[in-house]
Amino acid sequence: AQSVTQPDIHITVSEGASLELRCNYSYGATPYLFWYVQSPGQGLQLLLKYFSGDTLVQGIKGFEAEFKRSQSSFNLRKPSVHWSDAAEYFCAVGNSGYSTLTFGKGTMLLVSP
Amino acid sequence: DADVTQTPRNRITKTGKRIMLECSQTKGHDRMYWYRQDPGLGLQLIYYSFDVKDINKGEISDGYSVSRQAQAKFSLSLESAIPNQTALYFCATSDSTDTQYFGPGTRLTVL
Repeated sequence: AQSVTQPDIHITVSEGASLELRCNYSYGATPYLFWYVQSPGQGLQLLLKYFSGDTLVQGIKGFEAEFKRSQSSFNLRKPSVHWSDAAEYFCAVGNSGYSTLTFGKGTMLLVSP
Repeated sequence: DADVTQTPRNRITKTGKRIMLECSQTKGHDRMYWYRQDPGLGLQLIYYSFDVKDINKGEISDGYSVSRQAQAKFSLSLESAIPNQTALYFCATSDSTDTQYFGPGTRLTVL
């Protein structure tokens, strides 16, 4: 069975600093990988996704993620965090385009002035 | 207009009452999902449907039922609500790449 681990429950970053949110997955074949963001009181919005090809994926709002098969990781990065990036971030894994997604428990990002 | 809508957005009810949460989508997707979100637990899958005639239980289906009335509509029912069903509920649809698109959520409180 597939699984997703987001090791950090909370992360605090200063505005303007760089960000990396960790995601590790467990899946036998090549996974479909996703990052979603949830702002307070909102639904989940897709940031980016990886299916195949280039392992560095660009998303919306200046985010990117890198798929590393050897480390079973799909970490989310942003070079310079803005106060509006404060939200909860979820990593998810699926397979083969015909399955449900398994979500991590989320990482809450706090941005300090 | 939003692609995935949920009604109601907020609901307060009492223990033992029957509650229905509704979800509609205009994305034309066959696949639809119901999730429950509790603080610190992430998203838990309640039920999912890959087409109108296909309904499947998720990891936490006990105490819930669903109805897929049409491709665009997927309803979640709590037959006899209990306080530990107080949570945020999300509906989602997905395309053939498993990419899921979420509704705005329904906040349910069971007293």
